[in-house]
Amino acid sequence: IVMTQTPPSLPVTPGEPASISCRSSRTLLETDDGEIFLDWYLQKPGQSPQLLIYTLSYRASGVPDRFSGSGSGTDFTLKISRVAAEDVGLYYCMQRVEFPWTFGQGTKVEIK
Amino acid sequence: QVLLVESGGGVVQPGRSLTLSCAGSGYSFSSYGMHWVRQAPGKGPEWVAVTWYDGSNEQYADSVKGRFFISRDNYNNKLFLQMNSLRAEDTALYYCARDSGYRAFRMEVWGQGTTVTVSS
Repeated sequence: IVMTQTPPSLPVTPGEPASISCRSSRTLLETDDGEIFLDWYLQKPGQSPQLLIYTLSYRASGVPDRFSGSGSGTDFTLKISRVAAEDVGLYYCMQRVEFPWTFGQGTKVEIK
Repeated sequence: QVLLVESGGGVVQPGRSLTLSCAGSGYSFSSYGMHWVRQAPGKGPEWVAVTWYDGSNEQYADSVKGRFFISRDNYNNKLFLQMNSLRAEDTALYYCARDSGYRAFRMEVWGQGTTVTVSS
């Protein structure tokens, strides 16, 4: 499954909202429980990727509630309600519906 | 706290082999699935392989299937990646990551990585 993210680069103003799109080449099917295995990672400069959102919309431990995930089928979105300076970095979506797990190519979020 | 430390990276010639290690601490190593993920310079992450908590199942990326082998030593809390027939395109920073559960659910904790350079 090929994951495609847009935009590749996203200049943002602190305090303003931001949105990243992720599209899968095939429908990410829901489980019997209605879950979609689509995750979002943030890689801050010089760091390892860190889990941000898992199973479409669940925030990982310690992740601020300004981050939210949504979507269905082949279209998924990560939203930041009010961007903070510490949110800069590379954002990746990743599907784990089937092996091999695959990442998007990334969206670079930077402050204007 | 949970800590993952990779080692074993280096410069290796094409066609040769290399084995990476990942030492886990701060948690019950034998209870969790473990992954390898790599990131080529300037590129996004690429999932490489996963092993179930007890080593009973493994899955691989197509790009490494038949060349790379993931294994674990639960007695010594270590994860391994044996890489054979290395190619220039295997050059990357290799991370180990702990799963959130006993097999393959999600990658919850990552190490800092070890660098592999394949070059003559």
